[in-house]
Amino acid sequence: EVQLVESGGGLLQPGGSLRLSCAASGFTVSSNYMTWVRQAPGKGLEWVSVMSSGGSTYYADSVKGRFTISRDNSKNTVYLQMNRLRAEDTAVYYCARGDNSGYYDYGMDVWGQGTTVTVSS
Amino acid sequence: EIVMTQSPATLSVSPGERATLSCRASQSVGSNLAWYQQKPGQAPRLLIYGASARATGIPARFSGSGSGTEFTLTISSLQSEDFAVYYCQQSTNWRYTFGQGTKLEIK
Repeated sequence: EVQLVESGGGLLQPGGSLRLSCAASGFTVSSNYMTWVRQAPGKGLEWVSVMSSGGSTYYADSVKGRFTISRDNSKNTVYLQMNRLRAEDTAVYYCARGDNSGYYDYGMDVWGQGTTVTVSS
Repeated sequence: EIVMTQSPATLSVSPGERATLSCRASQSVGSNLAWYQQKPGQAPRLLIYGASARATGIPARFSGSGSGTEFTLTISSLQSEDFAVYYCQQSTNWRYTFGQGTKLEIK
């Protein structure tokens, strides 16, 4: 079964750091692009970061310079390192699998259940 | 940044009727437009990609159309399980943006 399981969320103070994990099963994370999407309480979806199958990384302006996406192929896991956290980073963080071919995108077809990050003093 | 604008914010429709949801991009995204359904407490589910292709396992009552800057999601005959929030999402040059969502509620 194709599945993503996030972990690592928690409650922390502004300025703190946290690393989220996204463990994949049923497919290889290096074969797809892997992305993080967050949802603040009662709000819509916001794209955070993506890693291509080739290992290139891209970030939303709101997190650039503070968040880092990475993957461990041996563990089939994707990570999101979050530094200098702010109250506005409070959200449920989802990882998702995507696929594309050249310019054509096939969408994000597998999602994890999400992990909650709360930044508060 | 490409801004995605969905309308209406809330749509009230009776079961069995047709629902039409709209999504507009601030600049052309070609056909790189996806639609997702999200129910309370659940992760989003991919419905449509490439503006009009149904994802695996998605019923035929869901259809997407459009290209460039104007897109539509149509649900032909609403079932009880279709009442949820729907998001459009564009993907261009490794950057992604979602619309603010349309809440589809029972009339």
